[in-house]
Amino acid sequence: KAGVTQTPRYLIKTRGQQVTLSCSPISGHRSVSWYQQTPGQGLQFLFEYFSETQRNKGNFPGRFSGRQFSNSRSEMNVSTLELGDSALYLCASSTDSSGGYTFGSGTRLTVV
Amino acid sequence: QKEVEQDPGPLSVPEGAIVSLNCTYSNSAFQYFMWYRQYSRKGPELLMYTYSSGNKEDGRFTAQVDKSSKYISLFIRDSQPSDSATYLCAMSEMGGAQKLVFGQGTRLTINP
Repeated sequence: KAGVTQTPRYLIKTRGQQVTLSCSPISGHRSVSWYQQTPGQGLQFLFEYFSETQRNKGNFPGRFSGRQFSNSRSEMNVSTLELGDSALYLCASSTDSSGGYTFGSGTRLTVV
Repeated sequence: QKEVEQDPGPLSVPEGAIVSLNCTYSNSAFQYFMWYRQYSRKGPELLMYTYSSGNKEDGRFTAQVDKSSKYISLFIRDSQPSDSATYLCAMSEMGGAQKLVFGQGTRLTINP
């Protein structure tokens, strides 16, 4: 079956711009989470959505936001981009009853 | 101090060796413990998922959790060059692997 699909794979943006990343979970998975991965901080939890509701949120500023649609697809948005937002953004989905998440390959965002 | 500590390595061993990877943690509320493998330019892939203390074996991989010591381990037997990757431990308080807290990851190289 198809895995978690993230688009686009690579993105270059300028400071101050905003960006939207997309994630299509595995069919039947209702929980979608987003993580930021950087060499310095590693993998950090951004937020989790379940049935279109944000269920958990990490310690990131309000510039980071997300949403989930009725078909479980999710988007995350980063406004007023900063150089430090350059990272690999990973989406992961789960049935919420089984163990562990299945991750996508990520979107690599570079802010210049 | 980070909630989850993991030696970043790098760790280099000969093919066929037994590999031991470890993480310590400080949050006694963690109940769910996972190990992920991440290849370059890919998202993390779930290897092992365990609940509470004890051992779990899957093929060449064995995961151990000692909650009394706040210490988890992953053993890889008969290591292969294809096992060369970054290994990440992850933990959560809630079921369904919500809001994972990751270690920094250990970069492992298996030399033929």
